Amino acid sequence: KAGVTQTPRYLIKTRGQQVTLSCSPISGHRSVSWYQQTPGQGLQFLFEYFSETQRNKGNFPGRFSGRQFSNSRSEMNVSTLELGDSALYLCASSLDREVLENTIYFGEGSWLTVV
Amino acid sequence: QKEVEQDPGPLSVPEGAIVSLNCTYSNSAFQYFMWYRQYSRKGPELLMYTYSSGNKEDGRFTAQVDKSSKYISLFIRDSQPSDSATYLCATRLYGNNRLAFGKGNQVVVIP
Repeated sequence: KAGVTQTPRYLIKTRGQQVTLSCSPISGHRSVSWYQQTPGQGLQFLFEYFSETQRNKGNFPGRFSGRQFSNSRSEMNVSTLELGDSALYLCASSLDREVLENTIYFGEGSWLTVV
Repeated sequence: QKEVEQDPGPLSVPEGAIVSLNCTYSNSAFQYFMWYRQYSRKGPELLMYTYSSGNKEDGRFTAQVDKSSKYISLFIRDSQPSDSATYLCATRLYGNNRLAFGKGNQVVVIP
C-alpha cells in the first residue's frame, strides 16, 4: 500500500515568488492536512481538507492556501514568498476524524528554501 | 501557554540503555496521544498511538498517558543505534484531525 506522496521533495524559490506543493494521500483516505515544520516553531498546523472543503485552519496568513480535488489529492500554495517561509512542508492523510482508530500518516515532506 | 510542551533538549544514551521521553499538555479535552519518530530529512513516522489514559506496549516501545496530570511518556528499552532520531509527541481532540505537537527530542544512541 503506497504511503503519502509529496512532490516536489526539494525546491528553491526567490522572495516574492509563489510556490505550489502537491500531496497524494493514502488510497482511501479522504482527509488531507498540511503542516509547516521549522527548527524554531516545530510542527504547526496549516489547514485540513475533507471532500474538497477546508474544514479546519491554523493561524497562518492568507498567503497560505490550499485545495483538494475530487480524488482527494491536495495542493497547497504560498504566494509572495518570504525568507521566513523556508521550511519543511508536510502533508498528512487519514480516513476521517469520526473514525475511532483514525491514524494520521505523514509524507516525506517538501523542503522549501526561499532566497 | 503552548498546547503541548516537550523539552527539546538532545539526549545521548549508550546502546542498550532505556530512553525516557515525556511531554505535558494543557487541554484536558485532548483524547488521542501519539508519538512520532522522525529521521533526519524524513517525514514523521507514527510510532505509538493511544486513546485516553493507560499504557500501550509495542515491542521495545511503551507509551503511557496520565490524563489526571496531563502527562505523556515514551520509553524505549534496549535502545539501538537505529533508534537515533527525533521523537515528537502529539495529541488531538476527538472529532478533529488537527494535531498539536511538542517541539521534539533528538535522541542519539551511541554504539
